[in-house]
Amino acid sequence: EAGVAQSPRYKIIEKRQSVAFWCNPISGHATLYWYQQILGQGPKLLIQFQNNGVVDDSQLPKDRFSAERLKGVDSTLKIQPAKLEDSAVYLCASSLTTGFNSPLHFGNGTRLTVT
Amino acid sequence: AQTVTQSQPEMSVQEAETVTLSCTYDTSESDYYLFWYKQPPSRQMILVIRQEAYKQQNATENRFSVNFQKAAKSFSLKISDSQLGDAAMYFCAYRRTRSGAGSYQLTFGKGTKLSVIP
Repeated sequence: EAGVAQSPRYKIIEKRQSVAFWCNPISGHATLYWYQQILGQGPKLLIQFQNNGVVDDSQLPKDRFSAERLKGVDSTLKIQPAKLEDSAVYLCASSLTTGFNSPLHFGNGTRLTVT
Repeated sequence: AQTVTQSQPEMSVQEAETVTLSCTYDTSESDYYLFWYKQPPSRQMILVIRQEAYKQQNATENRFSVNFQKAAKSFSLKISDSQLGDAAMYFCAYRRTRSGAGSYQLTFGKGTKLSVIP
C-alpha cells in the first residue's frame, strides 16, 4: 500500500510570511494527525481529525495555525504569520481507526525553517 | 498530564551486540498503551513495538523486546544482534486508552540517538 504522502519536503520562509503543508493519508484511513517536532524533541500533536471533523486541537496555536481536511481525505496545515519558533518538522500521520491494533503511519514530514 | 522521560540522549552499540534503551513515564491512569518508535534520517516515524499496560507479558518483535515494569513505570527497549540499519533516533511514547478529547494523542519522550559501530 502507498504510504502517507507529504509535501513539500523542505520549506524556508521569512518570519511573518505564510506557509502551507499538504498531506495525503493512506487510502481508507479515517483518522489523520498533524504533529510538530522541534529539533531535539519528540513530536507533539497539533490536531487530530476523524474523517473531516476535528477531534482534538487543544495544542494548536489557533491565532496563527489552521488546518482543514476537506472531504475527509487530504489535509492542509497553514501557518500565518510564521514566527522563528515555528521552525520544526511537521509530520502527518494516519490510522485506520483509533484502536490499539491500528497503528499510526507517518509520512516523511516537512522541514520548515523560518529566518 | 502524562510525561515520558528518556534519560539517555545518545547510546552506541557494537554491531551484533545487545543494547537497552531506557524510558520512564508518569501517569495516574491504570490502563494505557506504550510504544517505541524509530526515526531514521528520512524522518519517517516507524513503529518498532507496542505494549498494552494490562498485559504483564513483555512484548517481543523479532530482535526487539521490551522490559515493562508497571509499578516502576519503566518501559525499556532491548535490541539484540544489533545491525547497522538499527542506527536511528528512538522515541518512547505513551497513549491513554479511555475516550475523550486528546485520548488518542501520543506523548513522546525526547528520544535517544542510537549509533551502531561496525
